[in-house]
Amino acid sequence: EAQVTQNPRYLITVTGKKLTVTCSQNMNHEYMSWYRQDPGLGLRQIYYSMNVEVTDKGDVPEGYKVSRKEKRNFPLILESPSPNQTSLYFCASSAIASGRAEEQYFGPGTRLTVT
Amino acid sequence: AQSVAQPEDQVNVAEGNPLTVKCTYSVSGNPYLFWYVQYPNRGLQFLLKYITGDNLVKGSYGFEAEFNKSQTSFHLKKPSALVSDSALYFCAVRSADSNYQLIWGAGTKLIIKP
Repeated sequence: EAQVTQNPRYLITVTGKKLTVTCSQNMNHEYMSWYRQDPGLGLRQIYYSMNVEVTDKGDVPEGYKVSRKEKRNFPLILESPSPNQTSLYFCASSAIASGRAEEQYFGPGTRLTVT
Repeated sequence: AQSVAQPEDQVNVAEGNPLTVKCTYSVSGNPYLFWYVQYPNRGLQFLLKYITGDNLVKGSYGFEAEFNKSQTSFHLKKPSALVSDSALYFCAVRSADSNYQLIWGAGTKLIIKP
């Protein structure tokens, strides 16, 4: 089954404790992206990657890091989480080569609470 | 600056009636327009897109959207609503010269009442 998986689905942590949210896709997609969803603000892109070892900032990259060492994985790292990073996070992927880069497949989401 | 507006936070429709979820956009160049749906506790799913061609595009689950260049709008429509259509709907736009980045609206909650 074609899918994007994220782990963990729910996470409660404390300020300053480093965490990683994993994202993996099994569709051989070139494009991967991280979003955060906050009420009334829609989705805001954090980082994206157009292929292995190619990453770039989205609209709200501060406080986040990513890496793309393998095509299928795109982890999101919060080195020192703060309460304003409490949010619902989505990973997404899509196929650039087939001309359908904007038809993104989304993971189920990770609800992060930072206290 | 590029932007997307969904002027209604919530739309209520009776089952069987037609529905419209509104979206307007501002973008430089020719727009690529998209609708996504988010069911409760799920990730977003792609519904339909407009790149070029016919102003009326058809998508999944019986939805369609009408592109209106003069009004810079891309409203989502369905002739007969189902209770199962209740969800959060997002409009998004990409300008032709961007790096596949989508600009998202804030979302509209659609409630279909039996």
